[in-house]
Amino acid sequence: NAGVTQTPKFRVLKTGQSMTLLCAQDMNHEYMYWYRQDPGMGLRLIHYSVGEGTTAKGEVPDGYNVSRLKKQNFLLGLESAAPSQTSVYFCASTDTDTQYFGPGTRLTVL
Amino acid sequence: QKEVEQDPGPLSVPEGAIVSLNCTYSNSAFQYFMWYRQYSRKGPELLMYTYSSGNKEDGRFTAQVDKSSKYISLFIRDSQPSDSATYLCAMRANDMRFGAGTRLTVKP
Repeated sequence: NAGVTQTPKFRVLKTGQSMTLLCAQDMNHEYMYWYRQDPGMGLRLIHYSVGEGTTAKGEVPDGYNVSRLKKQNFLLGLESAAPSQTSVYFCASTDTDTQYFGPGTRLTVL
Repeated sequence: QKEVEQDPGPLSVPEGAIVSLNCTYSNSAFQYFMWYRQYSRKGPELLMYTYSSGNKEDGRFTAQVDKSSKYISLFIRDSQPSDSATYLCAMRANDMRFGAGTRLTVKP
């Protein structure tokens, strides 16, 4: 039982490049989330999904897109990366009460 | 004004001390309150969860919620060096809001 895994762990992009972050969970959770964590800002919700095929905007969705084609996977896309998107990205999934977080992806946009 | 305010610290205490961590919030719709612990370069992990005013105890940890004052606290008794981490408060209405986190160091 791996819990929540994230790929990749680290990435450096140039401004304007695109990439996709992959989150996978093996706990059969319906709800999945993408957060970004910045110093002094805490965790901020980017997008979330309440089930396969559904997505919704969170607190800071601009510049990101998501897809939930399979229940166990939640993808976060950056179409045209900007330096302001330099951050640590966390994925989480939940049963009714507890959010389980992945180990994070450190993204630097130059 | 942020919905959830948390003093980022850092907070440094000697081993065995009682630690008090606090958050205030402005949205009265928050019904569920959580504390997460995050070790360096790791994802947050849930420590305590409560949905009512009052105290909830789990070993050396006590979570306190005062909805009338919009104030929550986490107390750590007999603090250990292994408690050194960043502690995040979190609250949920329809979705989650997190505090900025307080970095705690417990010195041997």
